[in-house]
Amino acid sequence: GQNIDQPTEMTATEGAIVQINCTYQTSGFNGLFWYQQHAGEAPTFLSYNVLDGLEEKGRFSSFLSRSKGYSYLLLKELQMKDSASYLCAVLDSNYQLIWGAGTKLIIKP
Amino acid sequence: GAVVSQHPSWVICKSGTSVKIECRSLDFQATTMFWYRQFPKQSLMLMATSNEGSKATYEQGVEKDKFLINHASLTLSTLTVTSAHPEDSSFYICSARTGGESYEQYFGPGTRLTVT
Repeated sequence: GQNIDQPTEMTATEGAIVQINCTYQTSGFNGLFWYQQHAGEAPTFLSYNVLDGLEEKGRFSSFLSRSKGYSYLLLKELQMKDSASYLCAVLDSNYQLIWGAGTKLIIKP
Repeated sequence: GAVVSQHPSWVICKSGTSVKIECRSLDFQATTMFWYRQFPKQSLMLMATSNEGSKATYEQGVEKDKFLINHASLTLSTLTVTSAHPEDSSFYICSARTGGESYEQYFGPGTRLTVT
């Protein structure tokens, strides 16, 4: 079966750095997405990785290791507005997005 | 660019009635649109995938006669919840894909449905 694992909840302090991990086992791989979802709102796109390595975009970076079936989202200089759920999703061999359950990130002052 | 709108943003209806939710891609042509449902504190659950001009493909366990999807044009898809029941109360989100080399999905703002 297809499986995507990410922690259910994480807590971090404003101004700090947090890393949200995602491991996956899917039938084929055509890329991995990270989305941010604030409570009561729809997801918004953060990043897309299809090759191994680190992609940096401002305060957010995303890393992929295809051989390990592993990705992480790194958030730096955390702000209160970063409190949200972060969804990991993998595009499988049928180009279907397989979604993780999401990681709820709580930022404390 | 790549804006998706949804209407209505929230709706309350009585049990047994039908509700139609519209999803529009405002500045691009969406070859494929997706409908998701999300219950509180749970992840997105894909309900169906639709391509313009063809019948929607429903996920296992989703009743196609209850959740009618029409993808009439490259910019509009509708989801009709027929004979709604309180257990259909949920957050319904559509997304659209431009096609070609990009597989990114652009999400609408969601519709919160409450069935009383």
